[in-house]
Amino acid sequence: EIVLAQSPGTLSVSPGERATFSCRPSQGVSSLHLAWYQQKPGQAPRLLIYGASTRATGIPDRFSGSGSGTDFTLTISRVEPQDFAVYYCQYYGGSPITFGGGTKVEIK
Amino acid sequence: QVHLVESGGGVVQPGRSLRLSCAASGFTFSGYAMHWVRQAPGKGLEWVAAISFDGKNKYYADSVKGRFTISRDNSKNMLDLQMNSLRVEDTGIYYCASEPGRGQAISGVIAFNRFDSWGQGTLATISP
Repeated sequence: EIVLAQSPGTLSVSPGERATFSCRPSQGVSSLHLAWYQQKPGQAPRLLIYGASTRATGIPDRFSGSGSGTDFTLTISRVEPQDFAVYYCQYYGGSPITFGGGTKVEIK
Repeated sequence: QVHLVESGGGVVQPGRSLRLSCAASGFTFSGYAMHWVRQAPGKGLEWVAAISFDGKNKYYADSVKGRFTISRDNSKNMLDLQMNSLRVEDTGIYYCASEPGRGQAISGVIAFNRFDSWGQGTLATISP
């Protein structure tokens, strides 16, 4: 099973700042099988990035993903008020599918 | 536009059963694999089960294997999750999710895809 370690657990940022957070698989994975989701309170998760770096339909270009192997990153270039949420990475390259523990982005 | 609507949640005692359903619309349901994902109160996401486009291949998290059964009826665009021998730790919101792949094994290796649509979830509470 691929365990995904996300850091930090919580990230405090001000609107307009850059936010960067990490997802580290327990073993190297193909970037084809790494996704990022955003979840706001009381809502279902929403796909942001798949294949490590491809934005999903309708996702603004301030969101970007990068990385390979055992080190992946999600970056929000300039955080907007609607971006305060929890972000999860996901590995979907096999069974079981796994999620990281999440990074909460809160207002500083 | 893809629309997924879960139902069937409720409050049950440990050891009892619950059957969740997910009604799908807005896409060719029979062409794609489907998943269940759960979220315990205040916790993160946990993948529960997956089923291939034709229902022939099913996959489960170790935590539910032998207790939960995923199934689908492509004639009705419905996905189900039969949950037996429920435990307190099964409590949570259960989401169904669709992916753009078929959920087939290729050369014996299963390859899933990203979850591009999610339902709003249904809450299952297991409590004495």
